[in-house]
Amino acid sequence: ETGVTQTPRHLVMGMTNKKSLKCEQHLGHNAMYWYKQSAKKPLELMFVYNFKEQTENNSVPSRFSPECPNSSHLFLHLHTLQPEDSALYLCASSQDRGAVWGYTFGSGTRLTVV
Amino acid sequence: EDQVTQSPEALRLQEGESSSLNCSYTVSGLRGLFWYRQDPGKGPEFLFTLYSAGEEKEKERLKATLTKKESFLHITAPKPEDSATYLCAVRGGSQGNLIFGKGTKLSVKP
Repeated sequence: ETGVTQTPRHLVMGMTNKKSLKCEQHLGHNAMYWYKQSAKKPLELMFVYNFKEQTENNSVPSRFSPECPNSSHLFLHLHTLQPEDSALYLCASSQDRGAVWGYTFGSGTRLTVV
Repeated sequence: EDQVTQSPEALRLQEGESSSLNCSYTVSGLRGLFWYRQDPGKGPEFLFTLYSAGEEKEKERLKATLTKKESFLHITAPKPEDSATYLCAVRGGSQGNLIFGKGTKLSVKP
């Protein structure tokens, strides 16, 4: 148990579907992150939330829409995705933006867009 | 631009054959270098944080070292259960986000 739980573990969706990824942490952390992991590429930071406020959006297309209703939950809403969006989507949390221990990651959601 | 480069991309070792993984970086104002381990189908798991040149950290068969331009992850007498992808990341820049390398996939054969 990593302390960060992501659901679903696997998701297959068509390009016209709308779905949401969920992330939950009960570590008492104040910062939460969405990363995209594609084969042969480094982890790409997508969004950062600090104390429920979005502090960064790294030029992510609008078909990805994050939501952070409280400091324990983070969502990534998906709509009209493209096949190149297929990847492992990782959620992470940290005590704060400068945490000594880095980030605690969830196991990810493997997304396939068909 | 902040950047992390890991080498080799893949490494195959026999059980007991010691080796090192490299992480070279360029960052404006390093505020920590992190090593993670990632198993297939799982998220990265934290291993070490290093902050200053000359610092070393150890955990079981792993030892991480840091210079001003690179870090090494030394694996002594590896076992098959050490097989995983090892990720290096640096924290720097104005936002202080973690910037990751592509990783080194390590396979240890019995």
